[in-house]
Amino acid sequence: EAQVTQNPRYLITVTGKKLTVTCSQNMNHEYMSWYRQDPGLGLRQIYYSMNVEVTDKGDVPEGYKVSRKEKRNFPLILESPSPNQTSLYFCASSLTLSTNYGYTFGSGTRLTVV
Amino acid sequence: GQQVMQIPQYQHVQEGEDFTTYCNSSTTLSNIQWYKQRPGGHPVFLIQLVKSGEVKKQKRLTFQFGEAKKNSSLHITATQTTDVGTYFCAGPKMDSSYKLIFGSGTRLLVRP
Repeated sequence: EAQVTQNPRYLITVTGKKLTVTCSQNMNHEYMSWYRQDPGLGLRQIYYSMNVEVTDKGDVPEGYKVSRKEKRNFPLILESPSPNQTSLYFCASSLTLSTNYGYTFGSGTRLTVV
Repeated sequence: GQQVMQIPQYQHVQEGEDFTTYCNSSTTLSNIQWYKQRPGGHPVFLIQLVKSGEVKKQKRLTFQFGEAKKNSSLHITATQTTDVGTYFCAGPKMDSSYKLIFGSGTRLLVRP
């Protein structure tokens, strides 16, 4: 089944403890992206990747890191999480480098930083 | 900066009534996409519109892209409880077609 898989689905952590949210897609998509969703603010882009080893900042990249060593994987790294990073995170992928195709989203990761 | 606004924020309808959500961009868009997110779920791609004045239909859903390519609408005819969810429009940012900016969404509730 074609899908974007995120792990974990739920995570509660403490301030400052490094964490990684994994994202993997099995559709051979070139383009991958991370979004966070907060009430009243909609979906905001954190980082995106156009292909292997090519990444760039979205609208809210502060406090996050990403890497794209393989085409299928695009992990999101929080080096020192803070409570304002409590949010619902979505990984998404798309077939091409442009936005002319729809995104396929993962099921989401609900992160709570205490 | 570039903004994509959606109205209304919420809509509560009786099953069988029609529903429309409107999307307005501060800039001209090369294309616009629509997504649906069920409660507790993730956004699911519905459709993309590219041409000025384009109209597309998916069963009871009708999507329109404005002539100036700055606004769009989604109309649902005779809503059903399965239509419940939040509907988002999204368009590429001016500075990079790799960045997709989402509207704030319209949450639809349907009374059975």
